[in-house]
Amino acid sequence: QVQLQESGPGLVKPSETLSLTCIVSGDSISDGNNYWSWIRQPPGKGLEWIGYIYDIGTANYNPSLKSRVTISPDTSKNHFSLKLSSVSPADTAIYYCARDQRGFHVWGPGTMVTISS
Amino acid sequence: QSALTQPASVSGSPGQSITISCIGTISDIGGFDLVSWYQHDPGSSPKLIIYEVNKRPSGVSNRFSGSKSGNTASLTISGLQAEDETDYYCSSYAPSRRFFGTGTKVTVL
Repeated sequence: QVQLQESGPGLVKPSETLSLTCIVSGDSISDGNNYWSWIRQPPGKGLEWIGYIYDIGTANYNPSLKSRVTISPDTSKNHFSLKLSSVSPADTAIYYCARDQRGFHVWGPGTMVTISS
Repeated sequence: QSALTQPASVSGSPGQSITISCIGTISDIGGFDLVSWYQHDPGSSPKLIIYEVNKRPSGVSNRFSGSKSGNTASLTISGLQAEDETDYYCSSYAPSRRFFGTGTKVTVL
């Protein structure tokens, strides 16, 4: 059974970099068959796709966030990470990681990140 | 394009059928049979209920069905039940991108 779990700080200061990790169990992020995405939901708003990695070496990002986002894999630990730089209160959201297999079939429980000084 | 367009709310009485639309473009919904739908209770992670336009994952009720015509996808909930009252999102594949819909709150009257 595939499981995903987000981890990282729940509070980040404005202008700093948000860093989250998605730990994957029951599947390998190295096998190249799936896309591994980050998605977020600001309070009271809808879901927003942030970006994905696949086949380890390829990443694609939402154009609205592309200048601030990096998603990278750590195959030795079977996890992938999200870095979002120069954050502002508008980046306050629940952040989810998900396995994208022609649909987001498996999701992590999500982690709330608040941007505040 | 930033998001697919869904109605903000849809309501129905128990036992009725309701349909939620999801409007995109030829570059996303219209170009690929890769539309998915999610049921999202606040406080939980979204749950996939339809993928590849009209396929249901194991364990999802057959009261949920999906379809697509041109640039518009639709989710139909048949035999509406109180437990169906929550938020629903569509999503579509596009080359190097994924899109989500604006979300629809379903109310059971």
